[in-house]
Amino acid sequence: EAGVVQSPRYKIIEKKQPVAFWCNPISGHNTLYWYLQNLGQGPELLIRYENEEAVDDSQLPKDRFSAERLKGVDSTLKIQPAELGDSAVYLCASSLGGGGGRGNEQFFGPGTRLTVL
Amino acid sequence: SQKIEQNSEALNIQEGKTATLTCNYTNYSPAYLQWYRQDPGRGPVFLLLIRENEKEKRKERLKVTFDTTLKQSLFHITASQPADSATYLCALDLDSNYQLIWGAGTKLIIKP
Repeated sequence: EAGVVQSPRYKIIEKKQPVAFWCNPISGHNTLYWYLQNLGQGPELLIRYENEEAVDDSQLPKDRFSAERLKGVDSTLKIQPAELGDSAVYLCASSLGGGGGRGNEQFFGPGTRLTVL
Repeated sequence: SQKIEQNSEALNIQEGKTATLTCNYTNYSPAYLQWYRQDPGRGPVFLLLIRENEKEKRKERLKVTFDTTLKQSLFHITASQPADSATYLCALDLDSNYQLIWGAGTKLIIKP
């Protein structure tokens, strides 16, 4: 069974440029998460989807970040314009339905390492 | 304030010994607690989950304890091997919302 797929693995852009990350979750997983992880820190939730609905986007900086999950499968996270402080690893994870935690393990992709110059 | 703490300094353990990692939290009442392993350049990988009414959980060489009175979980790796070297993250699984609250992780180094 394929795991969570993310692309690209690495991205280097100049500040003020746009960037997009793509995620394909494990087949059958209704819940999809986007996290941001800084070096030496744990993942920080940006947005959580249940199927195609964004049920928790309270920590997504909506002035520059946007996300979508069309048809409840693949998801795209976009930053426009990128700032120096956005440099981090962006992780996508998925889990079976039933809502975020609640005892459901999360399956992570390898992440996209973003460097903003 | 609410927070979750793991050993910030790397833990160096001799191969064959038992490694013990700590996860402390304040002002949370987690229904579950999860432990993940993360290798450099990769996403976290789920290891174990323990429920609030469980004192201990085992899986092969791994053991997790959960003390809701002390607000602490301990993660043990027995007969440690160099391949166990990684960063280990604990995450609180709250019943009141639907997300995990993550610690910063502890880097474990097993020396041959």
